[in-house]
Amino acid sequence: GESVGLHLPTLSVQEGDNSIINCAYSNSASDYFIWYKQESGKGPQFIIDIRSNMDKRQGQRVTVLLNKTVKHLSLQIAATQPGDSAVYFCAENINTDKLIFGTGTRLQVFP
Amino acid sequence: EAQVTQNPRYLITVTGKKLTVTCSQNMNHEYMSWYRQDPGLGLRQIYYSMNVEVTDKGDVPEGYKVSRKEKRNFPLILESPSPNQTSLYFCASSLRGSRYGYTFGSGTRLTVV
Repeated sequence: GESVGLHLPTLSVQEGDNSIINCAYSNSASDYFIWYKQESGKGPQFIIDIRSNMDKRQGQRVTVLLNKTVKHLSLQIAATQPGDSAVYFCAENINTDKLIFGTGTRLQVFP
Repeated sequence: EAQVTQNPRYLITVTGKKLTVTCSQNMNHEYMSWYRQDPGLGLRQIYYSMNVEVTDKGDVPEGYKVSRKEKRNFPLILESPSPNQTSLYFCASSLRGSRYGYTFGSGTRLTVV
């Protein structure tokens, strides 16, 4: 598979536990945020998004929390499974044409 | 199946030899974009296109060209590749812009020797 980051922050969790991946974004004017999942050898895949007029949004097994005061975004994965192992990126929308991506966090799920 | 298709998946070339990486989407998306991904730097935008015949520079456009003659296709052209363009490249498309999220292709691993 492709190596997307040799020295990424890594979160190791046991299968079945909950995972929390954090992201600090840079621009207080950002109004739309997305989490992507990238598995080895594949392109980033949309997981969940949130707009700045919200502070929480839930999907299937995933929840995104937005704290605009401290410019912080988190992704919570419930009951983490081996298939969740991947690199996770947050992205912020600066204007209608531009997404700025974070450098990513590697999630490792062990049995 | 709705998808973004890039070709080739892997390419090894020599410095200075012009190459084109193709990108095609079947979702009738207006917006398309090219990113490169390098260790420790994340995804950086090279060029984007809001619609046919409308393109603009991203954060790292030097050494690259693009064209958007048809809505579905957005090729990335390296007129004279150099070793610092060795990277993993992704094409992405969106219905209208970055506020609608992107669909990414599977990537092209380019090595310039």
